[in-house]
Amino acid sequence: NAGVTQTPKFQVLKTGQSMTLQCAQDMNHNSMYWYRQDPGMGLRLIYYSASEGTTDKGEVPNGYNVSRLNKREFSLRLESAAPSQTSVYFCASSDLITGHTYEQYFGPGTRLTVT
Amino acid sequence: QKEVEQNSGPLSVPEGAIASLNCTYSDRGSQSFFWYRQYSGKSPELIMFIYSNGDKEDGRFTAQLNKASQYVSLLIRDSQPSDSATYLCAVNKSGGYNKLIFGAGTRLAVHP
Repeated sequence: NAGVTQTPKFQVLKTGQSMTLQCAQDMNHNSMYWYRQDPGMGLRLIYYSASEGTTDKGEVPNGYNVSRLNKREFSLRLESAAPSQTSVYFCASSDLITGHTYEQYFGPGTRLTVT
Repeated sequence: QKEVEQNSGPLSVPEGAIASLNCTYSDRGSQSFFWYRQYSGKSPELIMFIYSNGDKEDGRFTAQLNKASQYVSLLIRDSQPSDSATYLCAVNKSGGYNKLIFGAGTRLAVHP
């Protein structure tokens, strides 16, 4: 199993350009997530999808859109990139460990720089 | 007040010592608590989770939870240089079992 995969690994954009970050998981998980990680701020949830066909906003959704294409794939789109969106983006999916406790598995991340 | 707070460190300990990492949280309804390890340039990986008050041990790692004090800790015994990483505390949001709130992380440096 590849687990959670993300493409691309690195990307440089100019202000105003658009792009889509791709994420796929092969673990048959229902829930998927997009986070951004900035120095000194930990991981912040952008959007999540509890199950195929549903998406919800997280803590920092402004400037982003998502698509849950099917159970495996969850993409993140930046319509008009801004320097404030320079960050490392992680995709994750989750599985039930026990009771109400879910473990999140993370992809390798995408390093995005907006100039 | 941040929802999940951690001391950013760095916490420097000698090889073989016990490293103690602490985390406080604000949501009293949170039920599950996680410690993730993140090496520089890599993605987070789960090392421990706990949901009952008290201690939970797994090898050299012990997670401690005190819900009354809203406090979670991670002890690493016999610390090794390979334990040098950033440790992220995460707490599930009450009412949203699948949603986690992460602290900013504590950087641990184990020196030989």
